[in-house]
Formats: sequence, C-alpha cells, structure tokens
Amino acid sequence: GNSVTQMEGPVTLSEEAFLTINCTYTATGYPSLFWYVQYPGEGLQLLLKATKADDKGSNKGFEATYRKETTSFHLEKGSVQVSDSAVYFCASTDTGRRALTFGSGTRLQVQP
Amino acid sequence: DTEVTQTPKHLVMGMTNKKSLKCEQHMGHRAMYWYKQKAKKPPELMFVYSYEKLSINESVPSRFSPECPNSSLLNLHLHALQPEDSALYLCASSLSPGRSTDTQYFGPGTRLTVL
Repeated sequence: GNSVTQMEGPVTLSEEAFLTINCTYTATGYPSLFWYVQYPGEGLQLLLKATKADDKGSNKGFEATYRKETTSFHLEKGSVQVSDSAVYFCASTDTGRRALTFGSGTRLQVQP
Repeated sequence: DTEVTQTPKHLVMGMTNKKSLKCEQHMGHRAMYWYKQKAKKPPELMFVYSYEKLSINESVPSRFSPECPNSSLLNLHLHALQPEDSALYLCASSLSPGRSTDTQYFGPGTRLTVL
C-alpha cells in the first residue's frame, strides 16, 4: 500500500521566515496528493492538493508541486505568520483503496 | 458549502455505556468515512461507506458499529468501549467513491473520553 513520510517536527520559525515542510510518498499507480492543516482542537482542513505530476497546488500563500521523479510534495510558504501555527499533514490517496494515507504530521510554531 | 457537521463535540462515557456519534453532510457526497485520531498522531481510517454501503472496515473491533441510514448521515455506535478508545473521532466525506482525486472534507470531530 501507499506510505507518506514527513519531516519530524516541531518546526519553530520567526514571523516572516520561509517555510519548507518535506513530504515524500511511495505508491503504486498515480496517487493524488494533499496537504491538510489542523489547528488546535479542530478537525482537518484541506490546504491544497495536486492530482497529477507537475501540478502545483496553492492556497493562502502556501504552495506544493507534485514531483513524480523525486516522489515528493514539499510544502512551502514565503513568509509565515503567527496564525499559521498548526499541525500540517501530507496525505495521498491510492487508486485501489480510495482512502487517505497520512504522514505523521509536522507541528509548526511561528513566534512573533 | 463544504461543511461536515459532527455531534456531539465532546463525549464522556463509561465502559458499560452505549452511545452514538453522528455525522451529517449536505453536499451530495456519496462516500463517507470514519477516522480515529489519537493525540499527536495522524488520523487512522476505520470505515468507508460508498453509496450507503460499507466498503472498507479496517479490522475495527466490533464494539464500534457504523451505520449509514441515508446518503447524508453517518453514525458510529459505541458499546463496551475501553479507555484506550479515547480519541478524536473524525468524519469525512467526498463526492464520488470511485475517484481518488476527490477531496475529503472533514468535520470538526468528536472528542471521546472513556472512563
């Protein structure tokens, strides 16, 4: 089955710093890739997604590009804010199970 | 509207109680999911319903019993739970069970504590 590996956290940054959270996947077939964000005490919100190689997903200043050659989907943001502090999950769907496989999650802490 | 609602928000129950979690969506989605999330861990899939029929059961103990009465509603019936079942239970839905490109939309979750 699929698997997703994320960089360990927590990631601590100062406001306006550049953010990268690494995500790599293993899959048979052509999975769709997602980034979800979870704020404390809440459910998961879709941040962005990409459904085929070389697609770039973007939302609220966050971007990630589906790289088939490196099996990666790294999340980036040019200038983080305190309000971006949350846990970020990379996830993939496989064409067989049609269910999400999540990475372990990366906690981001942004300090003023 | 991309809202999935879940009730109750919090639930405390004893090991001999019977309770139910409820999930609702009005987006016309035909796939619905239950996930369990322990603290500081990612969500783990429990059940998938496709067109109101159970299509995936991830070897979940029988003390968890899902039900999909109609295309908008998903229940999770709980009976004789153990303290280790305490977790955040998340419901999700997506448009088409057959498409892996569809986004899953999550509810806010029910935080369950088993005493």
